[in-house]
Amino acid sequence: GENVEQHPSTLSVQEGDSAVIKCTYSDSASNYFPWYKQELGKGPQLIIDIRSNVGEKKDQRIAVTLNKTAKHFSLHITETQPEDSAVYFCAASKKGGSEKLVFGKGMKLTVNP
Amino acid sequence: KAGVTQTPRYLIKTRGQQVTLSCSPISGHRSVSWYQQTPGQGLQFLFEYFSETQRNKGNFPGRFSGRQFSNSRSEMNVSTLELGDSALYLCASRPRAGAFNEQFFGPGTRLTVL
Repeated sequence: GENVEQHPSTLSVQEGDSAVIKCTYSDSASNYFPWYKQELGKGPQLIIDIRSNVGEKKDQRIAVTLNKTAKHFSLHITETQPEDSAVYFCAASKKGGSEKLVFGKGMKLTVNP
Repeated sequence: KAGVTQTPRYLIKTRGQQVTLSCSPISGHRSVSWYQQTPGQGLQFLFEYFSETQRNKGNFPGRFSGRQFSNSRSEMNVSTLELGDSALYLCASRPRAGAFNEQFFGPGTRLTVL
C-alpha cells in the first residue's frame, strides 16, 4: 500500500524566514496531495492541496510543489509568523481523493519571534 | 455553521474494557472518517462511512468497529482495550465521498488506557 514519508520531523525558524517541508510517496497511482496544519488541542485543518495534473500551487504565503517523477511534494511557507507554529502533515490519496488518505508522521514547526 | 463535534473529549479506561466514541458531522455532510493519532505512528485511517455504509477500512484489528446512523452521526467502538490503544481519535466529515478538499476534522477524543 501507499507509504508517505515526511522530513524533517521538527523545524525551528526565526520569524520572517522561510520553511520547507518535504514528503515522498511510494504509490505512483496517488494523485491528490493535501497539507494539513494542526494546532495544539485542535484537529488538523486543510491549508492547501494539489492534484497530480498541477506542478505548483500558491495561496498567499504558502505554496506546494509536486514532482511526479521523483514522487515527492513539498510545502513552502514564506515570511513565517509565530502563528504558523503548529504540526504540519502531508498526505496522499488515489483516485483524486476518493480513496483513503495516507498521512506522513508530521513536522513540528516552531517560529521564534 | 457548527463544526464537527466529538464526545467525550477525554476518556480514561482500563485494559479489557470497551469504549464508544461519538462524532456529529457538519450539517449536510454525509461522509464520516475516523483516524487514530499517536506520537509514534502519526495519523492512521481507521474507517469511513457514507450513507450508513462502511466505504473504506484501514489496517486495524476487528476490535475497532464503527457505524453511522441515518442522521450521519457516527460512533466508533473499541473492545477489549489495550494499552496501545491510547491515542487521540479524530473524526472528519465531508459532504460526499471524495471531497477531501471539503473535509473538516473535529477536535478529537483523547483516550487513555491504564
